[in-house]
Amino acid sequence: ETGVTQSPTHLIKTRGQQVTLRCSSQSGHNTVSWYQQALGQGPQFIFQYYREEENGRGNFPPRFSGLQFPNYSSELNVNALELDDSALYLCASSLAAGESTGELFFGEGSRLTVL
Amino acid sequence: GNSVTQMEGPVTLSEEAFLTINCTYTATGYPSLFWYVQYPGEGLQLLLKATKADDKGSNKGFEATYRKETTSFHLEKGSVQVSDSAVYFCALCNLRTNAGKSTFGDGTTLTVKP
Repeated sequence: ETGVTQSPTHLIKTRGQQVTLRCSSQSGHNTVSWYQQALGQGPQFIFQYYREEENGRGNFPPRFSGLQFPNYSSELNVNALELDDSALYLCASSLAAGESTGELFFGEGSRLTVL
Repeated sequence: GNSVTQMEGPVTLSEEAFLTINCTYTATGYPSLFWYVQYPGEGLQLLLKATKADDKGSNKGFEATYRKETTSFHLEKGSVQVSDSAVYFCALCNLRTNAGKSTFGDGTTLTVKP
Protein backbone atom coordinates (compact mmCIF):
# COMPACT_ATOMS: atom_id res chain seq x y z
CA GLU A 1 0.00 0.00 0.00
CA THR A 2 1.48 3.33 -1.09
CA GLY A 3 1.06 6.22 1.35
CA VAL A 4 0.50 9.89 0.65
CA THR A 5 3.50 11.57 -0.93
CA GLN A 6 4.10 15.29 -1.34
CA SER A 7 6.60 17.37 -3.27
CA PRO A 8 8.64 19.41 -2.86
CA THR A 9 9.47 18.92 0.82
CA HIS A 10 10.94 22.40 1.25
CA LEU A 11 10.90 25.53 -0.87
CA ILE A 12 11.65 29.22 -0.56
CA LYS A 13 9.82 31.91 -2.52
CA THR A 14 9.63 35.69 -2.45
CA ARG A 15 6.56 37.85 -2.02
CA GLY A 16 4.41 38.10 -5.13
CA GLN A 17 5.62 34.83 -6.64
CA GLN A 18 3.49 31.79 -7.36
CA VAL A 19 3.92 28.25 -6.06
CA THR A 20 2.59 24.81 -6.97
CA LEU A 21 2.61 21.94 -4.48
CA ARG A 22 1.89 18.36 -5.48
CA CYS A 23 0.35 15.38 -3.77
CA SER A 24 -0.20 11.73 -4.62
CA SER A 25 -2.98 10.14 -2.64
CA GLN A 26 -2.84 6.79 -0.88
CA SER A 27 -3.84 3.96 -3.17
CA GLY A 28 -7.59 3.32 -3.09
CA HIS A 29 -8.41 6.84 -1.85
CA ASN A 30 -10.51 9.12 -4.08
CA THR A 31 -10.63 12.29 -1.98
CA VAL A 32 -7.83 14.77 -1.32
CA SER A 33 -7.82 17.62 1.19
CA TRP A 34 -5.26 20.38 1.72
CA TYR A 35 -4.42 21.97 5.05
CA GLN A 36 -2.20 24.86 6.09
CA GLN A 37 -0.32 24.46 9.37
CA ALA A 38 1.32 27.61 10.69
CA LEU A 39 4.06 27.24 13.29
CA GLY A 40 2.64 26.24 16.67
CA GLN A 41 -0.92 25.85 15.38
CA GLY A 42 -3.20 23.10 14.23
CA PRO A 43 -3.91 22.42 10.56
CA GLN A 44 -6.45 24.74 8.93
CA PHE A 45 -8.69 23.36 6.17
CA ILE A 46 -8.05 24.96 2.76
CA PHE A 47 -10.21 22.83 0.45
CA GLN A 48 -11.10 19.31 -0.59
CA TYR A 49 -11.32 17.64 -3.99
CA TYR A 50 -13.50 14.70 -4.97
CA ARG A 51 -13.95 13.43 -8.51
CA GLU A 52 -11.82 16.28 -9.83
CA GLU A 53 -14.09 18.98 -8.38
CA GLU A 54 -13.78 21.20 -5.33
CA ASN A 55 -15.97 19.76 -2.60
CA GLY A 56 -15.78 22.21 0.28
CA ARG A 57 -13.54 25.19 1.00
CA GLY A 58 -12.25 26.83 4.15
CA ASN A 59 -11.70 30.51 4.84
CA PHE A 60 -8.91 31.08 2.30
CA PRO A 61 -8.84 33.69 -0.49
CA PRO A 62 -9.25 32.80 -4.18
CA ARG A 63 -5.51 33.04 -4.79
CA PHE A 64 -5.43 29.57 -3.20
CA SER A 65 -6.62 27.17 -5.89
CA GLY A 66 -6.30 23.50 -6.65
CA LEU A 67 -6.75 20.66 -9.05
CA GLN A 68 -7.42 16.97 -8.83
CA PHE A 69 -6.44 14.63 -11.65
CA PRO A 70 -8.11 11.42 -12.86
CA ASN A 71 -5.58 9.35 -10.90
CA TYR A 72 -6.71 11.26 -7.74
CA SER A 73 -3.42 13.11 -7.36
CA SER A 74 -3.73 16.82 -6.65
CA GLU A 75 -2.05 20.21 -6.84
CA LEU A 76 -2.29 23.25 -4.62
CA ASN A 77 -1.51 26.58 -6.29
CA VAL A 78 -0.94 29.82 -4.43
CA ASN A 79 -0.63 33.08 -6.37
CA ALA A 80 0.72 36.44 -5.22
CA LEU A 81 2.49 34.94 -2.21
CA GLU A 82 2.43 36.89 1.05
CA LEU A 83 4.71 36.56 4.05
CA ASP A 84 1.86 35.02 6.08
CA ASP A 85 1.66 32.15 3.59
CA SER A 86 4.81 30.73 5.16
CA ALA A 87 3.66 27.42 6.66
CA LEU A 88 3.64 23.66 6.37
CA TYR A 89 1.16 22.58 3.71
CA LEU A 90 -0.32 19.17 4.36
CA CYS A 91 -2.11 16.96 1.90
CA ALA A 92 -4.46 14.31 3.23
CA SER A 93 -6.27 11.57 1.37
CA SER A 94 -9.36 9.70 2.40
CA LEU A 95 -12.32 7.78 1.15
CA ALA A 96 -15.44 9.68 0.08
CA ALA A 97 -17.92 10.76 2.76
CA GLY A 98 -20.24 7.83 2.28
CA GLU A 99 -17.41 5.31 2.65
CA SER A 100 -15.41 6.89 5.43
CA THR A 101 -15.64 7.77 9.11
CA GLY A 102 -13.64 10.92 8.40
CA GLU A 103 -10.13 9.78 9.19
CA LEU A 104 -7.39 11.40 7.17
CA PHE A 105 -4.09 9.99 5.93
CA PHE A 106 -1.47 12.72 5.75
CA GLY A 107 1.70 13.20 3.78
CA GLU A 108 4.79 14.65 5.43
CA GLY A 109 4.05 18.11 4.10
CA SER A 110 5.69 20.83 2.02
CA ARG A 111 7.42 23.52 4.05
CA LEU A 112 6.99 26.88 2.29
CA THR A 113 9.00 29.92 3.32
CA VAL A 114 8.08 33.29 1.81
CA LEU A 115 10.73 36.01 2.06
CA GLY B 1 -19.15 26.76 13.54
CA ASN B 2 -17.13 23.82 14.78
CA SER B 3 -14.22 24.32 17.15
CA VAL B 4 -11.79 22.24 19.22
CA THR B 5 -10.03 23.41 22.37
CA GLN B 6 -7.04 21.54 23.77
CA MET B 7 -5.23 22.04 27.02
CA GLU B 8 -2.29 24.31 26.53
CA GLY B 9 1.17 22.84 26.60
CA PRO B 10 3.87 22.04 26.62
CA VAL B 11 3.57 19.01 28.89
CA THR B 12 6.70 17.46 30.34
CA LEU B 13 6.54 14.11 32.12
CA SER B 14 8.94 11.51 33.41
CA GLU B 15 8.90 8.04 31.86
CA GLU B 16 6.11 5.81 33.23
CA ALA B 17 4.04 8.79 34.41
CA PHE B 18 0.29 9.04 33.74
CA LEU B 19 -0.77 11.28 30.87
CA THR B 20 -3.97 13.25 30.35
CA ILE B 21 -4.45 15.78 27.56
CA ASN B 22 -7.81 17.53 27.73
CA CYS B 23 -9.91 18.20 24.65
CA THR B 24 -13.35 19.79 24.41
CA TYR B 25 -15.32 20.58 21.30
CA THR B 26 -18.21 22.58 19.90
CA ALA B 27 -20.08 21.14 16.95
CA THR B 28 -23.49 20.76 15.42
CA GLY B 29 -24.89 17.27 15.07
CA TYR B 30 -22.86 14.19 15.87
CA PRO B 31 -19.24 14.51 14.78
CA SER B 32 -16.60 11.82 14.73
CA LEU B 33 -13.69 12.57 17.07
CA PHE B 34 -10.01 11.89 16.53
CA TRP B 35 -6.59 12.16 18.07
CA TYR B 36 -3.71 12.60 15.66
CA VAL B 37 0.00 12.55 16.55
CA GLN B 38 2.82 14.41 14.80
CA TYR B 39 6.37 13.26 15.39
CA PRO B 40 9.22 15.70 14.65
CA GLY B 41 9.66 16.32 10.93
CA GLU B 42 6.66 14.20 9.97
CA GLY B 43 3.06 14.68 8.94
CA LEU B 44 0.12 13.84 11.17
CA GLN B 45 -0.95 10.26 11.68
CA LEU B 46 -4.13 8.93 13.21
CA LEU B 47 -3.71 7.70 16.79
CA LEU B 48 -7.30 6.76 17.62
CA LYS B 49 -10.90 7.65 16.84
CA ALA B 50 -14.48 7.38 18.12
CA THR B 51 -17.53 7.80 15.93
CA LYS B 52 -20.42 7.99 18.41
CA ALA B 53 -21.20 8.89 22.00
CA ASP B 54 -19.68 6.63 24.69
CA ASP B 55 -17.34 4.95 22.19
CA LYS B 56 -13.81 4.42 23.46
CA GLY B 57 -10.98 4.67 20.97
CA SER B 58 -7.68 3.00 21.85
CA ASN B 59 -4.28 2.39 20.28
CA LYS B 60 -0.69 1.88 21.51
CA GLY B 61 -1.81 2.18 25.15
CA PHE B 62 -3.63 5.48 24.54
CA GLU B 63 -7.36 5.78 25.18
CA ALA B 64 -10.07 8.42 24.77
CA THR B 65 -13.83 8.24 25.40
CA TYR B 66 -16.41 10.24 23.43
CA ARG B 67 -18.41 12.10 26.09
CA LYS B 68 -21.33 13.92 24.51
CA GLU B 69 -22.72 15.25 27.79
CA THR B 70 -19.47 17.12 28.49
CA THR B 71 -18.46 17.54 24.80
CA SER B 72 -15.06 16.10 25.63
CA PHE B 73 -12.58 13.58 24.25
CA HIS B 74 -9.66 13.54 26.68
CA LEU B 75 -6.56 11.52 25.78
CA GLU B 76 -5.02 9.27 28.45
CA LYS B 77 -2.14 6.85 28.80
CA GLY B 78 -1.24 5.00 31.95
CA SER B 79 2.53 4.89 31.49
CA VAL B 80 4.27 7.11 28.93
CA GLN B 81 7.55 6.30 27.19
CA VAL B 82 10.25 8.55 25.76
CA SER B 83 9.09 7.49 22.30
CA ASP B 84 5.68 9.10 22.98
CA SER B 85 7.28 12.55 22.77
CA ALA B 86 5.38 14.32 19.99
CA VAL B 87 2.65 16.88 19.29
CA TYR B 88 -0.90 15.60 19.83
CA PHE B 89 -3.91 17.10 18.00
CA CYS B 90 -7.57 16.61 18.84
CA ALA B 91 -9.89 16.90 15.85
CA LEU B 92 -13.49 16.47 14.79
CA CYS B 93 -15.25 15.79 11.53
CA ASN B 94 -18.94 15.86 10.74
CA LEU B 95 -19.43 13.98 7.51
CA ARG B 96 -23.07 14.98 7.18
CA THR B 97 -22.74 18.76 7.51
CA ASN B 98 -19.28 19.48 6.08
CA ALA B 99 -18.09 16.37 4.37
CA GLY B 100 -14.40 15.80 4.81
CA LYS B 101 -13.51 19.05 6.55
CA SER B 102 -11.76 18.29 9.81
CA THR B 103 -11.38 20.91 12.53
CA PHE B 104 -8.21 20.65 14.65
CA GLY B 105 -7.10 21.99 17.99
CA ASP B 106 -3.81 23.84 18.25
CA GLY B 107 -1.92 20.80 19.48
CA THR B 108 -0.25 19.86 22.75
CA THR B 109 3.48 19.18 22.81
CA LEU B 110 4.45 16.25 25.02
CA THR B 111 8.03 15.68 26.13
CA VAL B 112 8.83 12.52 28.08
CA LYS B 113 12.15 12.45 29.94
CA PRO B 114 13.97 9.25 30.88
